[in-house]
Amino acid sequence: QSALTQPPSASGSPGQSLTISCTGSSGDVGTYNYVSWYQQHPGKAPKLMIYEVTKRPSGVPDRFSGSKSGNTASLTVSGLQAEDEADYYCSSSAGSNNLVFGGGTSVTVL
Amino acid sequence: DVQLLESGGGLVQPGGSLRLSCGASRFTLGGHAMSWVRQAPGKGLDWVSTINTSGRSSYYADSVKGRFTLSRDISKNTLYLQMNSLRAEDTAVYYCAARTLVTSWAFDIWGQGTVVTVSS
Repeated sequence: QSALTQPPSASGSPGQSLTISCTGSSGDVGTYNYVSWYQQHPGKAPKLMIYEVTKRPSGVPDRFSGSKSGNTASLTVSGLQAEDEADYYCSSSAGSNNLVFGGGTSVTVL
Repeated sequence: DVQLLESGGGLVQPGGSLRLSCGASRFTLGGHAMSWVRQAPGKGLDWVSTINTSGRSSYYADSVKGRFTLSRDISKNTLYLQMNSLRAEDTAVYYCAARTLVTSWAFDIWGQGTVVTVSS
């Protein structure tokens, strides 16, 4: 299974909005609504931020939102804050009991 | 708080074997899908294996199929990953992760990871 494609880096100023894309194929993102997003700070375990494309687990700020169009999913962070600086990974079901992750996007808050 | 704690990592020679364990605190493994996800040094996340809610079925990434075996012991509340025929490319931090949400393929509880190094 091929990894999903994410931009290696993204940046924004505090208070701005930032969107990260995650491009797959009809075999994963395009077919399944089991797209998740994870935030990972250096040296820490990943944290689930979004699941099923748009849903937020309890405790995740509503500044984080997800969407999907065709084979591309997106994570938007509104009102960017310093603590949002981290790596972000998308994942998607790829059918046949497979899961695929994106390569990750390093977010910098300027 | 719910906690997952991995152990069993270490240095092993290519071709060798290692068994990782994932114990749970204030959390019952039975009734939840459990997974292992790894991260090679400086690289992204890589799904390894998942055992379903009932524990009757396990699924594997192509890269580990036939070499890794996922199992759980409900009585010990512990998840295991038996890794055989290890290769240099298996070097990574291995995270144990659980799905407690009513969904699929989303891991909302993670351990802190255990380091596996495959090298001669």
